[in-house]
Amino acid sequence: SAVISQKPSRDICQRGTSLTIQCQVDSQVTMMFWYRQQPGQSLTLIATANQGSEATYESGFVIDKFPISRPNLTFSTLTVSNMSPEDSSIYLCSVERSGDTQYFGPGTRLTVL
Amino acid sequence: KQEVTQIPAALSVPEGENLVLNCSFTDSAIYNLQWFRQDPGKGLTSLLLIQSSQREQTSGRLNASLDKSSGRSTLYIAASQPGDSATYLCALTSGTYKYIFGTGTRLKVLA
Repeated sequence: SAVISQKPSRDICQRGTSLTIQCQVDSQVTMMFWYRQQPGQSLTLIATANQGSEATYESGFVIDKFPISRPNLTFSTLTVSNMSPEDSSIYLCSVERSGDTQYFGPGTRLTVL
Repeated sequence: KQEVTQIPAALSVPEGENLVLNCSFTDSAIYNLQWFRQDPGKGLTSLLLIQSSQREQTSGRLNASLDKSSGRSTLYIAASQPGDSATYLCALTSGTYKYIFGTGTRLKVLA
């Protein structure tokens, strides 16, 4: 299994500001993933973060809005920039381990006013 | 384009009942399928992973099956308990790292 922590667990932010979410894994992993779960919806992959290279973004997500850092093999950050109420979601990071099993962090619940 | 559907969207059952949750997908060329549980406002907990060469996996009261030819997976929960109340999500990948998630089934087990 994998132990994944995220900070903050929740936040309430003002429109136009930015929030950086941290994800820490208990051991080294090649790829880390960032997902968004909008209210009442399922999960959508935002991007894949590889250590030492630029993140790979999915269709509909851009680096200017969701910059990602991956400074080492156990840590990543996702920034939600210039926030609007539509960005209110749960943001989750995940890793793959143990024969393709995906493990998720506890999530960061973001509310934008 | 792969689409993943979970029916029903919500389900209420009395405690002790056996139940089946369904996950349907449109493209049978999958690599593996995973079932997750999500408690309100929380992250996801992995329940079972079925690889494409497997037909089923079991863990305690949970049994997941996979039929690629019919584009279907089921999660069977035996002797349901109020603590099983949560949203259950299936997700699959076609050989890349990218998982596609279903819309989930909200389960409520009544005491």
